[in-house]
Amino acid sequence: AQSVTQPDIHITVSEGASLELRCNYSYGATPYLFWYVQSPGQGLQLLLKYFSGDTLVQGIKGFEAEFKRSQSSFNLRKPSVHWSDAAEYFCAVAPWGGGADGLTFGKGTHLIIQP
Amino acid sequence: DVKVTQSSRYLVKRTGEKVFLECVQDMDHENMFWYRQDPGLGLRLIYFSYDVKMKEKGDIPEGYSVSREKKERFSLILESASTNQTSMYLCASSPRGQPNTEAFFGQGTRLTVV
Repeated sequence: AQSVTQPDIHITVSEGASLELRCNYSYGATPYLFWYVQSPGQGLQLLLKYFSGDTLVQGIKGFEAEFKRSQSSFNLRKPSVHWSDAAEYFCAVAPWGGGADGLTFGKGTHLIIQP
Repeated sequence: DVKVTQSSRYLVKRTGEKVFLECVQDMDHENMFWYRQDPGLGLRLIYFSYDVKMKEKGDIPEGYSVSREKKERFSLILESASTNQTSMYLCASSPRGQPNTEAFFGQGTRLTVV
């Protein structure tokens, strides 16, 4: 079964500083990988996804993520954070080949932005 | 704009009550999902459905059931609510296909069982 680990429960970053959120996955084949963001009181919004091809994926709101097969990682980055980026971030993995098995989520990383 | 709508944002129910959480999507998606979200545990899959009248157990189905009579609607049922079912419930939908595509989420229903 697949699993996702987000090692950091909370991260505090100053506004304007760079950001990296870590995600490690466990899966027997190449997975489909996702990053979702959840603003307070809201549902989840997709930031970006990786299916195949270029290992550096660009998403919305200036985010990007890099798939590293050798490290089983899919870390999320942003060069300069804004106060509006404060939210909960979830990494997720889905099984190869599709189906309706749903996503397996990490436990989330809570991002705090300092002024 | 694609939309997944959950009928209630907040619900307060009493222990032992039968509770219905409703979810409707307007994207003609085949797949629908119910997750529960708890602090420190992330999102956990309760049930999913890949077609009308079809349902599959997820990781934590105990104490829950589901109903999918129409393609656009997926209901989560708590037969006899208990305090440990106090949580945020998220509905999602996705189109069928290979590869597995992104899921679209509703705003969530925060259920409190007292």
